[in-house]
Amino acid sequence: DAGITQSPRHKVTETGTPVTLRCHQTENHRYMYWYRQDPGHGLRLIHYSYGVKDTDKGEVSDGYSVSRSKTEDFLLTLESATSSQTSVYFCAISESTADTDTQYFGPGTRLTVL
Amino acid sequence: AQSVSQHNHHVILSEAASLELGCNYSYGGTVNLFWYVQYPGQHLQLLLKYFSGDPLVKGIKGFEAEFIKSKFSFNLRKPSVQWSDTAEYFCAVTRPNYGQNFVFGPGTRLSVLP
Repeated sequence: DAGITQSPRHKVTETGTPVTLRCHQTENHRYMYWYRQDPGHGLRLIHYSYGVKDTDKGEVSDGYSVSRSKTEDFLLTLESATSSQTSVYFCAISESTADTDTQYFGPGTRLTVL
Repeated sequence: AQSVSQHNHHVILSEAASLELGCNYSYGGTVNLFWYVQYPGQHLQLLLKYFSGDPLVKGIKGFEAEFIKSKFSFNLRKPSVQWSDTAEYFCAVTRPNYGQNFVFGPGTRLSVLP
């Protein structure tokens, strides 16, 4: 499992409230990613990080922000949650070998915005 | 636009039937290709990957995939499926000369009937 944990695993919140999801890794990987998974869309990249304080936007970054103050933690914040952000959120790390980079995923966070 | 397509949204098979799931991508040049599986309620797990060499790649649990460069395809196969193969399958592509970001297909849901 590449030592990835996510918290919380489930959250129900109301429209307009801020929400922060946490991804924690124990193996000192440089690259970390946040995806959302929705039926018919597969996984879509929200934001990613290539080091402490180094982040960039993905395909569906509107309404989300991220922070990475430590190598092991990558936080995803919904500043003001909307119902369209109801989804399952997966964190991933990228493990590099001489041949290629492979992504490994955390267990996911199911977020419901009412 | 960069894209990965998976031909089938939902495949239903009986146990012992053969499986082939299609995956096509739209990039030229060097690509790395992956298949991930997501069992119900779980996170994505790596099944197999291709980065160079023999275009026929063998993965875990009896799965294999064939990279056909001329067809921009990376189809997943298994000669005899089991009920425990019921899951969602995602194809993913990276372009190693363009960073580490993965692009995922929309997924194919496989239901295996006992």
